[in-house]
Amino acid sequence: AQSVTQPDIHITVSEGASLELRCNYSYGATPYLFWYVQSPGQGLQLLLKYFSGDTLVQGIKGFEAEFKRSQSSFNLRKPSVHWSDAAEYFCAVGLSNFGNEKLTFGTGTRLTIIP
Amino acid sequence: DADVTQTPRNRITKTGKRIMLECSQTKGHDRMYWYRQDPGLGLRLIYYSFDVKDINKGEISDGYSVSRQAQAKFSLSLESAIPNQTALYFCATSDAGTGGRYGYTFGSGTRLTVV
Repeated sequence: AQSVTQPDIHITVSEGASLELRCNYSYGATPYLFWYVQSPGQGLQLLLKYFSGDTLVQGIKGFEAEFKRSQSSFNLRKPSVHWSDAAEYFCAVGLSNFGNEKLTFGTGTRLTIIP
Repeated sequence: DADVTQTPRNRITKTGKRIMLECSQTKGHDRMYWYRQDPGLGLRLIYYSFDVKDINKGEISDGYSVSRQAQAKFSLSLESAIPNQTALYFCATSDAGTGGRYGYTFGSGTRLTVV
């Protein structure tokens, strides 16, 4: 079965600084990979996704992520964070075979932005 | 109107009571899911349904049941609520035709407290 690890429970960065959130997955084939963001009191919003092609994917709100097969990683990055980026971020992996599209989520990384 | 609507948004109930959480969607998606979110544990899959006649248990189905009344409606029931079912519950949908490549659309969540 697939699994996802987000090793950082909580990260604090200064506004304007760069950000990288880590995600590692375990799956035998090329998975579908996703990053979701959850603002306080809200549901989950899709930031970006990868399922094939260019390994550097661009998402909404200025985020990007890079799929590295050799490292089984899909880290999320942003060059300069804004106070509004404070939220919880979830990495998720899905099976790439038709007919069994269940997502497995990581435990999340809470991002705090300081002025 | 939201694509995926969950009702109620908040609910406090007593131990032993039966409670139903409802989810409806206007996306036209075949597949619907119920997850619960607990701090530090991320999202865990309770039940999922790939069509009206196909309902499957997820990783934490004990103490829960579901009903898929129509393509657009998927309800989660707690037959006899207990305090450790206090959590944030999310409904999600996906399109079978995309093979899972586009991830899920989430509702805004139901915050359930069992006292």
